[in-house]
Amino acid sequence: DAGVIQSPRHEVTEMGQEVTLRCKPISGHDYLFWYRQTMMRGLELLIYFNNNVPIDDSGMPEDRFSAKMPNASFSTLKIQPSEPRDSAVYFCASSLGGRQPQHFGDGTRLSIL
Amino acid sequence: KNQVEQSPQSLIILEGKNCTLQCNYTVSPFSNLRWYKQDTGRGPVSLTIMTFSENTKSNGRYTATLDADTKQSSLHITASQLSDSASYICVVSLNTNAGKSTFGDGTTLTVKP
Repeated sequence: DAGVIQSPRHEVTEMGQEVTLRCKPISGHDYLFWYRQTMMRGLELLIYFNNNVPIDDSGMPEDRFSAKMPNASFSTLKIQPSEPRDSAVYFCASSLGGRQPQHFGDGTRLSIL
Repeated sequence: KNQVEQSPQSLIILEGKNCTLQCNYTVSPFSNLRWYKQDTGRGPVSLTIMTFSENTKSNGRYTATLDADTKQSSLHITASQLSDSASYICVVSLNTNAGKSTFGDGTTLTVKP
């Protein structure tokens, strides 16, 4: 079975632009997570969904960040407008059950100039 | 405050040697503890998962232990290989929020020939 697929792998854009990150979870998994990883703060949970419904978005840093999961096989994380401090690696993960091991994608490395 | 602290921050060992990584947590109420391995440029990969009642869990040359009374866990790597060079992250899940976990900052292991 294919793992979690994220796109793009790398994104470089200028401050103020809209950025959309995409994720395809493992088929059959009912939980989807978005994380951000930086050297300073490590891995931080931004938001997670259960059966396509956002459950906890307390980690979303600002209103500039939004996430959607229109169906069980697709999710997006959008940043509008982007700022240099948003530069990080963004991971998507999915799991079968909220407390089970999560399967991570290889991340999107985002650089905001 | 729920916290997960890992030590050492970094470790260098020679190929073939054993090593032990530590994880102390204050997360409560505890649900499970997971160890992940993260290779450079990749997403974390689950190694072990342990619930309150489990003391030891093995995955090949990786053995995790859990002492729920002292809230400590360790990851022991036997007969290290160059491919073990990675960051090892300890993650503790809450019993009250299925999708929310607390991540440690990781231990960076370098195995040298």
